[in-house]
Amino acid sequence: DTGVSQDPRHKITKRGQNVTFRCDPISEHNRLYWYRQTLGQGPEFLTYFQNEAQLEKSRLLSDRFSAERPKGSFSTLEIQRTEQGDSAMYLCASSPRAAPNEQFFGPGTRLTVL
Amino acid sequence: AQRVTQPEKLLSVFKGAPVELKCNYSYSGSPELFWYVQYSRQRLQLLLRHISRESIKGFTADLNKGETSFHLKKPFAQEEDSAMYYCALSSDSNYQLIWGAGTKLIIKP
Repeated sequence: DTGVSQDPRHKITKRGQNVTFRCDPISEHNRLYWYRQTLGQGPEFLTYFQNEAQLEKSRLLSDRFSAERPKGSFSTLEIQRTEQGDSAMYLCASSPRAAPNEQFFGPGTRLTVL
Repeated sequence: AQRVTQPEKLLSVFKGAPVELKCNYSYSGSPELFWYVQYSRQRLQLLLRHISRESIKGFTADLNKGETSFHLKKPFAQEEDSAMYYCALSSDSNYQLIWGAGTKLIIKP
């Protein structure tokens, strides 16, 4: 499968715990995006990377959230001290240099904070 | 403010009937508009983009700048078209997508 992959697919955690999600983009894609989707809503932009540089962060991304893409390949999204309001689907997408608007999505990681 | 509005949360039509999924947007620059589709238990996938002017799976969408709309249309719905449809707008600065809330399309046999 050469598509975008995300791990884990599901995560259940207790409030106050830290969680980390991983995204592996399509190999030749230089841009990587993180979105969050809650029930009944469309995805909301969180942050994006061009190669290893994090170029923009949404104000939705509080200080408890951090994302990295250390070698310009896979990316991680960490949430510290999780809250129940963090429960959502976290989506990763990547796009190629030639068509930055054409985003390919992963299956998502569903986070449930108890 | 940049915004995408899909006024219908649910649209149910009979097989063979025409379908129109509405999308209106608010954007100060020159937007690029997209329709994404999510079939049951599958990931989001790009259906079409306005600049390509293609017809994909029988769907078309025309960007109307005067009405700030990008409605998705298909003349004859098929059962396999049942899915969630999202309209999205791309910012011309960082290509982030701004999404509507989605419309669930149900095609009745």
